[in-house]
Amino acid sequence: QQQVKQSPQSLIVQKGGISIINCAYENTAFDYFPWYQQFPGKGPALLIAIRPDVSEKKEGRFTISFNKSAKQFSLHIMDSQPGDSATYFCAASIVGATNKLIFGTGTLLAVQP
Amino acid sequence: DAGITQSPRHKVTETGTPVTLRCHQTENHRYMYWYRQDPGHGLRLIHYSYGVKDTDKGEVSDGYSVSRSKTEDFLLTLESATSSQTSVYFCAISGGQGNGNYGYTFGSGTRLTVV
Repeated sequence: QQQVKQSPQSLIVQKGGISIINCAYENTAFDYFPWYQQFPGKGPALLIAIRPDVSEKKEGRFTISFNKSAKQFSLHIMDSQPGDSATYFCAASIVGATNKLIFGTGTLLAVQP
Repeated sequence: DAGITQSPRHKVTETGTPVTLRCHQTENHRYMYWYRQDPGHGLRLIHYSYGVKDTDKGEVSDGYSVSRSKTEDFLLTLESATSSQTSVYFCAISGGQGNGNYGYTFGSGTRLTVV
């Protein structure tokens, strides 16, 4: 029940296309859903996050869509660029506790020029 | 990353030896976490701390111990290193609840190889 399932494992997108990464969770107590971006040799960095009181959050080219009833959330990268090539992790936590993040297994995104 | 440093960055050690990894923060954040990253598993929580001398286990804590004697330092010890502990270890910090910012800041990682 603590798992966060992420798909796909890898993704190849053409420059200018839309990248979509999906995550699903089981624990209905989760109330914070961030996405992290990681470049090779670096630590993950917070990209965007959403709370369950909204269904969508947009920051620049990055959008989180959240479906509470389906217990799913997804990351959309519009106008994907080669610089977006990285590994993306979704995560979930219960913020009222110690905010322990449970991470998905990651998606390796390659944006081809 | 600004405000959080891990040491060493790389380490090779022999099976059966103890190893200690250090995480140091200058943000005065309450929460600190140790994760390991392995292909196909993402990031898995080893141990975390919610204050000085307050620590608890994560999902993969067997073979690891931690200590936090000061707010700024969180140490991860592999009591007797095994090959299965070869991994990249990340420390993270969080200000936690209260300021609306629940995000983690990660360190740059320690690549540990157990031979």
